[in-house]
Amino acid sequence: GENVEQHPSTLSVQEGDSAVIKCTYSDSASNYFPWYKQELGKRPQLIIDIRSNVGEKKDQRIAVTLNKTAKHFSLHITETQPEDSAVYFCAASMDTGGFKTIFGAGTRLFVKA
Amino acid sequence: DVKVTQSSRYLVKRTGEKVFLECVQDMDHENMFWYRQDPGLGLRLIYFSYDVKMKEKGDIPEGYSVSREKKERFSLILESASTNQTSMYLCASSPGTKYEQYFGPGTRLTVT
Repeated sequence: GENVEQHPSTLSVQEGDSAVIKCTYSDSASNYFPWYKQELGKRPQLIIDIRSNVGEKKDQRIAVTLNKTAKHFSLHITETQPEDSAVYFCAASMDTGGFKTIFGAGTRLFVKA
Repeated sequence: DVKVTQSSRYLVKRTGEKVFLECVQDMDHENMFWYRQDPGLGLRLIYFSYDVKMKEKGDIPEGYSVSREKKERFSLILESASTNQTSMYLCASSPGTKYEQYFGPGTRLTVT
């Protein structure tokens, strides 16, 4: 079945540095790729998403890239700040043969001041 | 603002009890989901529903059932709770297949 692998599981960066989180998916029918941020004790919230007809999307300090051929997508956070510290989840969704969203295992990001 | 609420934040039940977790959304969303969240395993889909009375199994449906009698409400049922069902349970809703999911605050269930 569909699988989403996410790396690294933990990432520690210095404030102001960039952070990159990578995900790969197995089912080429996947066509929607959201990223969620979950702060400690809070619910996951969408921070950015990309659809399969787009290769890159940017929103201020956050960007996502998608390589459909290689079946991988990445989250890039520039100029990290302590409030970026959280767990980040990637996900892959498809709507063929039934709707399904598969989440990666998550990346715990620490931004050191 | 979309609001997804869950009936309890914390719940403690005994092994063998029947447990009901309720989720309500106020945005007329078609799709609703139940996930369990465990450290290192991310969010795993238990069941989802794409319409009233319609449901589909997710990746880990064993030991769970669901009910969606009204569009705004999606219930998760543990028929006979076991200790390995101790977890954080998250409900979510979304307006369509390629759209954001809005999560509830979660229910931390402990089965003793």
